[in-house]
Amino acid sequence: GAVVSQHPSWVICKSGTSVKIECRSLDFQATTMFWYRQFPKQSLMLMATSNEGSKATYEQGVEKDKFLINHASLTLSTLTVTSAHPEDSSFYICSAYGQGYGYTFGSGTRLTVV
Amino acid sequence: QQQVKQSPQSLIVQKGGISIINCAYENTAFDYFPWYQQFPGKGPALLIAIRPDVSEKKEGRFTISFNKSAKQFSLHIMDSQPGDSATYFCAALTGGGNKLTFGTGTQLKVEL
Repeated sequence: GAVVSQHPSWVICKSGTSVKIECRSLDFQATTMFWYRQFPKQSLMLMATSNEGSKATYEQGVEKDKFLINHASLTLSTLTVTSAHPEDSSFYICSAYGQGYGYTFGSGTRLTVV
Repeated sequence: QQQVKQSPQSLIVQKGGISIINCAYENTAFDYFPWYQQFPGKGPALLIAIRPDVSEKKEGRFTISFNKSAKQFSLHIMDSQPGDSATYFCAALTGGGNKLTFGTGTQLKVEL
């Protein structure tokens, strides 16, 4: 089946620093990738949608300058949380869509900003 | 606004019992309804999905019942096991869209 690898699974960073999260589709080409944020005991909140080679489309209320998304290839998308602050601490999940493979989610990244 | 309402928020079922989670939607343009299972600290995994041209789909112990006229669908977990304890999300997708709309989630606990 389709596999999406997300790294790191957890990261702790100091306030003011930037953190990069990688999302790779291992056995299929992902025409579209999605980034979600999830707070404890809550649903997934879509942050942005990205297509390979195009600028990401951000959901209303999501700061594009804080959450930089790059989808450089059909198998890799990255989310960079810039100048992270404690309120950015959350569980971030990517999802990749591939024709014939549907939507496959990564295992998530727990970000803690101290 | 596209929404999918999910209930209950939490559910406790005895081992061997039936777990039932319900979802309702408003947007009649939705034409794909997946259910996801999420364990703590992990991403969601597709469990089972249905399209509105069928009223029921069964895969092992998991069954989706779909009522198009009522705009409701539900997940039934038969012979629930402790390993089924997880959070379950229903979702919906329009034919012309690419963004999944998620329900609010149901925390299921299966007790021995």
